Amino acid sequence: DAGVIQSPRHEVTEMGQEVTLRCKPISGHNSLFWYRQTMMRGLELLIYFNNNVPIDDSGMPEDRFSAKMPNASFSTLKIQPSEPRDSAVYFCASSLLLGGYTFGSGTRLTVV
Amino acid sequence: KQEVTQIPAALSVPEGENLVLNCSFTDSAIYNLQWFRQDPGKGLTSLLLIQSSQREQTSGRLNASLDKSSGRSTLYIAASQPGDSATYLCAVRPGGADGLTFGKGTHLIIQP
Repeated sequence: DAGVIQSPRHEVTEMGQEVTLRCKPISGHNSLFWYRQTMMRGLELLIYFNNNVPIDDSGMPEDRFSAKMPNASFSTLKIQPSEPRDSAVYFCASSLLLGGYTFGSGTRLTVV
Repeated sequence: KQEVTQIPAALSVPEGENLVLNCSFTDSAIYNLQWFRQDPGKGLTSLLLIQSSQREQTSGRLNASLDKSSGRSTLYIAASQPGDSATYLCAVRPGGADGLTFGKGTHLIIQP
C-alpha cells in the first residue's frame, strides 16, 4: 500500500490566487480528514468525511475554504482567494471508521 | 471541548536513558488514543494506538499506557537513541465524533 498520497508537496502562490490541494486516501479507508499545522496553533482539524459525506466542517476557518470528496479515492481542499495567513502545512489523513489514522506527507503552502 | 496537554514541551537527554512523555486530556469519553512521531519537515508517523478498553500497547522499545478515568497517557521510551529525536504528538479520538484532537507535542532531543 502506498499510504495516503498528497499533492503537490510544495505550493507557492500569490495572494488572491486559487489553490487546490489533493489527497488520495488508503484504499478501503472510509474516513478522510484534512488538518492544518502551524507553529502557533499546532494541528487543527479543518473538515472530515465519512463514506465520502462531509460530517463536520466547523474547523474550516472561512468561506474561502472548501473541500470535496467526489469518490472514495479522491479529495480536494480549495482556498479561493488565498491570503498570506493561509500559509501552513496541510495534511490529509485517512482511517477505517474509529480506527487509527494514517497521515500523508503534507503540502507546504506559502502565500506571498 | 476536548483539550489535550503534553508535558514537557521539550526534553533533551543523553543517549541510553529511559524516558517518559506525558499526555493529559480533559474529557475521558474517548474511543482511542494515538501517539505519533513527527520529524522536522515531515508528516506524522503512527507509533501506537490504544483503544479505550485497553490499558497499554507495546512496540519494540516503546510502551504507551492509558488511564481513561484520570485522563492520562504516557509514552515510555526505553534505551533512547539519537534516532529517537523528533516531536512526539498525542491525539485522542473523542466519543461520538471522529476527528482527532492533538496536543502541541513534546520536542525530544537525544544527545549522542
